[in-house]
Amino acid sequence: EADIYQTPRYLVIGTGKKITLECSQTMGHDKMYWYQQDPGMELHLIHYSYGVNSTEKGDLSSESTVSRIRTEHFPLTLESARPSHTSQYLCASSEMGRNTEAFFGQGTRLTVV
Amino acid sequence: DAKTTQPNSMESNEEEPVHLPCNHSTISGTDYIHWYRQLPSQGPEYVIHGLTSNVNNRMASLAIAEDRKSSTLILHRATLRDAAVYYCILFPGGGADGLTFGKGTHLIIQP
Repeated sequence: EADIYQTPRYLVIGTGKKITLECSQTMGHDKMYWYQQDPGMELHLIHYSYGVNSTEKGDLSSESTVSRIRTEHFPLTLESARPSHTSQYLCASSEMGRNTEAFFGQGTRLTVV
Repeated sequence: DAKTTQPNSMESNEEEPVHLPCNHSTISGTDYIHWYRQLPSQGPEYVIHGLTSNVNNRMASLAIAEDRKSSTLILHRATLRDAAVYYCILFPGGGADGLTFGKGTHLIIQP
């Protein structure tokens, strides 16, 4: 069973609020990712990291920011939430390299009202 | 970016084998072929991956064409719990250094 956890699972928040979505993994993986997925649509990579103090932007531009000050923790922050940020956010981790599998969390379903 | 093409949806009967095709004619020599699936309201789940040779694991088999321009995910005996969206992904694929998900194939299993 995958040891990657996201909190909260569901979040409803007002416009303009600052939010942080938490993601933690206990597998010691160096590589971590954030994906965004609208209902019924494909996943889009928005951020990834190769390890501590490494953050990179993904294929889809996002107003969110990420940080990686500990190997196991990769939080995503929205400084000022807007209704357009309503989506599901999925965190994943893997070992380095392409001959490896990624483990996904259950996701955080964010609704900005 | 290297892209994959999959049918939008497929339907199969429970306890029968399922063959999910994927075309990837622009695959590069260093791209691995990965398959993931996503059950309703869950995050994606790894199924299998390979480079050139066919691969088997407890979940499925992966058959890779000799020219690597296509592959087939085989579920040997489908159950209702296999109903999901199945994604065929090339990694690294030439884009950002993460899995690039397409629309996938929505697999429907009839009892």
